Amino acid sequence: EVQLLESGGGLVQPGRSLRLSCVASGFTFNNYAMSWVRQAPGKGLEWVSAISGSGGSTYYADSVKGRFTISRDNSKNTVYLQMSSLRAEDTALYYCVQTVAGDYWGQGTLVTVSS
Amino acid sequence: DIQMTQSPSSLSASVGDRVTLTCRASQGISNSLAWFQQKPGKAPKSLIYAASSLRSGVPSKFSGSGSGTDFTLTISSLQPEDFATYYCQQYNSYPLTFGGGTKVGIK
Repeated sequence: EVQLLESGGGLVQPGRSLRLSCVASGFTFNNYAMSWVRQAPGKGLEWVSAISGSGGSTYYADSVKGRFTISRDNSKNTVYLQMSSLRAEDTALYYCVQTVAGDYWGQGTLVTVSS
Repeated sequence: DIQMTQSPSSLSASVGDRVTLTCRASQGISNSLAWFQQKPGKAPKSLIYAASSLRSGVPSKFSGSGSGTDFTLTISSLQPEDFATYYCQQYNSYPLTFGGGTKVGIK
């Protein structure tokens, strides 16, 4: 059974940083690209970032480019999202997602950016 | 960037109705389209990938069709557990993009 468990969310002040983690199980982790998708309260889904199975290729939405960094540690079956220069508009539930086609989703971790 | 437009944004239907949701891409995406169902307070769940391939474990009342720019998700006989918001997403090219969603409510 595929499981994706996100952590690292919380309340953070504007301009500060936060690192999200997603531990995966139930599949051969390094064979799959991974994505982060977010959902602001009461809003739709917004793709944030993706990383290839090897970690050699990364992709970002324009809204986070230059501020967020995706990475992975295949020895730990974990994908990360390092978020810096956080803004109020980054407030959202952040989901870890297997593959770019959204095969499986975690339950999400809530990030609230507020002073 | 490829824009994904879903219509309608909401609809009301009755149990047993056949419902068709539409998703249009601003440029051709071949069949690189997925559909998701999201219920309140829950993570999205994958229903369809590659425009028409049913995800394992998803009931056959769900079906997807289309290629290029125009896609549909059909629910053949709406049941109470199907009332939810449905999203399409293209994964043909980066940045990946979602449609705005269609909320299916009870008439």
